[in-house]
Amino acid sequence: DQQVKQNSPSLSVQEGRISILNCDYTNSMFDYFLWYKKYPAEGPTFLISISSIKDKNEDGRFTVFLNKSAKHLSLHIVPSQPGDSAVYFCAASADSGYALNFGKGTSLLVTP
Amino acid sequence: DSGVTQTPKHLITATGQRVTLRCSPRSGDLSVYWYQQSLDQGLQFLIHYYNGEERAKGNILERFSAQQFPDLHSELNLSSLELGDSALYFCASSVVRVSYNEQFFGPGTRLTVL
Repeated sequence: DQQVKQNSPSLSVQEGRISILNCDYTNSMFDYFLWYKKYPAEGPTFLISISSIKDKNEDGRFTVFLNKSAKHLSLHIVPSQPGDSAVYFCAASADSGYALNFGKGTSLLVTP
Repeated sequence: DSGVTQTPKHLITATGQRVTLRCSPRSGDLSVYWYQQSLDQGLQFLIHYYNGEERAKGNILERFSAQQFPDLHSELNLSSLELGDSALYFCASSVVRVSYNEQFFGPGTRLTVL
């Protein structure tokens, strides 16, 4: 069963605007969440993470928000750039350092 | 470049055969993880090794096995291959077994079973 869900397979945003990628999870034991970015023919690259003791983490243009009561997290990219076009995976872990549970990914296209 | 290397990059083989995928973790990383990405699927965790010892198993078939050697490189062995085993196989590494550390992924091995 899919414990991490990314319900939007794709998203298109204009350059300079905000991109919001969403992720839902079902396992209340998850305590660490990560976002990975993947370009074609490459492995996933770590982008940003958040612990369940926080509700927001910011790194430059990237901010991750966590709503534990709703079991929902989101990644905000502001401003979006064409180089951000990639597949974004949400991942979660129930015990840090162990297996990551991935969503199926959202393909982001940032148009000039 | 994540520092994680995987060989081969591509592998084409026939049903019933056996293959070995190789992974070298980042320098200093003791943990190695294997993931499978099938068509239209997210990455599925297969197995985790820490400093040579198996630590966790995920959705790994009995036909699949792995090991981590003293120099910390790891191999994933896939036997009696079926068409459905065609997928991208990723290896990832991280520094410690229990810590809030992100995993660093290699470029993957694309396996095609004909």
